Amino acid sequence: DADVTQTPRNRITKTGKRIMLECSQTKGHDRMYWYRQDPGLGLRLIYYSFDVKDINKGEISDGYSVSRQAQAKFSLSLESAIPNQTALYFCATSATANYGYTFGSGTRLTVV
Amino acid sequence: RKEVEQDPGPFNVPEGATVAFNCTYSNSASQSFFWYRQDCRKEPKLLMSVYSSGNEDGRFTAQLNRASQYISLLIRDSKLSDSATYLCVVNLWNQGGKLIFGQGTELSVKP
Repeated sequence: DADVTQTPRNRITKTGKRIMLECSQTKGHDRMYWYRQDPGLGLRLIYYSFDVKDINKGEISDGYSVSRQAQAKFSLSLESAIPNQTALYFCATSATANYGYTFGSGTRLTVV
Repeated sequence: RKEVEQDPGPFNVPEGATVAFNCTYSNSASQSFFWYRQDCRKEPKLLMSVYSSGNEDGRFTAQLNRASQYISLLIRDSKLSDSATYLCVVNLWNQGGKLIFGQGTELSVKP
């Protein structure tokens, strides 16, 4: 099994629908992150969490919310999806501040 | 100005070539540095960390110049399997260790 698992892998949804992307990890890391990737824009941070009680906005949090249900689970919600939220979404974890990240396989989201 | 800037791509090189990627970062508080590799539509994977003294891992050599806020990656004897996008990444310790990613440079190694 993968260390960082994202579900679903692919999703097509309609404008205005609520959708949740889920992330779970078996690495025992406290730190978890959600990024989106768009062609030509690289990876941009949406939200991050350093422990269950700590949630922080990233550079592009508008239109998104998150929930850290447990150390191992960090979910991202789009309350009312819009087409410009079509992107590849990655969850990542890290052990400490100076370590690199381990990424999930990504969720490809299309909003029509 | 973007926090992390990389050479524009794509780089198209023949097998066996040596290729160098450059990266600059703007935040002097950056403390850790990495190169990640990303294959098409897959997750980024850590290629190597970058240390102040420079470091090598097989055909890959990374260099850091803190004074110039410059990072490089050199790939020698390119293989077809090296074709991917290479992401320059800096870690902002003063912001809790967030990683900031460059846009990436695409490498295509041809037979």
